[in-house]
Amino acid sequence: DVKVTQSSRYLVKRTGEKVFLECVQDMDHENMFWYRQDPGLGLRLIYFSYDVKMKEKGDIPEGYSVSREKKERFSLILESASTNQTSMYLCASSLDRGQYFGPGTRLTVT
Amino acid sequence: AQRVTQPEKLLSVFKGAPVELKCNYSYSGSPELFWYVQYSRQRLQLLLRHISRESIKGFTADLNKGETSFHLKKPFAQEEDSAMYYCALSGRGSYIPTFGRGTSLIVHP
Repeated sequence: DVKVTQSSRYLVKRTGEKVFLECVQDMDHENMFWYRQDPGLGLRLIYFSYDVKMKEKGDIPEGYSVSREKKERFSLILESASTNQTSMYLCASSLDRGQYFGPGTRLTVT
Repeated sequence: AQRVTQPEKLLSVFKGAPVELKCNYSYSGSPELFWYVQYSRQRLQLLLRHISRESIKGFTADLNKGETSFHLKKPFAQEEDSAMYYCALSGRGSYIPTFGRGTSLIVHP
């Protein structure tokens, strides 16, 4: 069974703070993704990575950056958190086109 | 550009009734289509993909290239089917899916 874990289920941060969201997968998948999930908007891709140290912007990369130093770990960084980044963040990994998701991190920025 | 449209935000049915969650797509080529499901307080998970042609939890979905649709169907809905359902499309040569906005299915007892 593929296991995708995320460092926190719930996170509360203040405006302007730097925020790190960690994601780890244990199935040696090449591809990893970060999405935000908002009611009525579905899943929107922030960044993805198809290999170590490789990253590509998704549909809404502004205000975010990522890091993939090891194959199993993909980090999402909010350089300076803002209230409009309050959301559910989902990490996913894939070997082919079917994706496996983590449990999500609900981030609240106050 | 590829696009996935789920026209219903909310679908409400009674237990035992048939259910159909609609998904329409636009893509110039042969796509791969998926349905994902998220039950309350659980992670998003793959329900089925069109190339598998299988039935999962009583759900089926057929790719209709003429109508560019991939509707999810179940003949008799159960209360435990209540969840958020997302349709997704991956284009040829791409590992990046495009997701629809989701349909919330509520099955009443």
